[in-house]
Amino acid sequence: NAGVTQTPKFQVLKTGQSMTLQCAQDMNHNSMYWYRQDPGMGLRLIYYSASEGTTDKGEVPNGYNVSRLNKREFSLRLESAAPSQTSVYFCASGTEYSNQPQHFGDGTRLSIL
Amino acid sequence: AQSVAQPEDQVNVAEGNPLTVKCTYSVSGNPYLFWYVQYPNRGLQFLLKYITGDNLVKGSYGFEAEFNKSQTSFHLKKPSALVSDSALYFCAALTGGGNKLTFGTGTQLKVEL
Repeated sequence: NAGVTQTPKFQVLKTGQSMTLQCAQDMNHNSMYWYRQDPGMGLRLIYYSASEGTTDKGEVPNGYNVSRLNKREFSLRLESAAPSQTSVYFCASGTEYSNQPQHFGDGTRLSIL
Repeated sequence: AQSVAQPEDQVNVAEGNPLTVKCTYSVSGNPYLFWYVQYPNRGLQFLLKYITGDNLVKGSYGFEAEFNKSQTSFHLKKPSALVSDSALYFCAALTGGGNKLTFGTGTQLKVEL
């Protein structure tokens, strides 16, 4: 059981470069989420997709775009990376039922120089 | 604004002693609350949840949590700590449409021999 798979696991970028973080889930979940984790700040929601074909902004969407490619895949794009976007990025998926937990991938560790 | 607070950045406990990791919340309506654990270089793993019913909730790995509505708290507990419990613990609350979660800032638990 793969669960939620994120690629790549590590990446170093230069300021101004672009990149796409990939996420796929095999649990047939409707909802998918992108978070960033920074020391002392917990996890903050960047974007989410409640169902295939829909996306919405979370708490910290500036500088990011997302694409819900299909039910399985939800990608996060940095168009012009900035040092402030250095972080660990987590993708999660969940059912449409609010009493069920989200399931997380192992993260992408992104450094922007 | 809806929020989750974890007042302790770190908790140190001797193995075999009971442990408590504190969480307070501020959400509208009936709270849906979750605890997750994160081991180094891994994603978050679900431990337990409170949706409704008994105020004492039992979860994975011997953990339990006590919901207290009057104190707006949801503290994580374990009767006898293990060194292997050392990890980063996050409290989260459901806050809004799309089953969005708001996380606390995390508490690093260190269990020593």
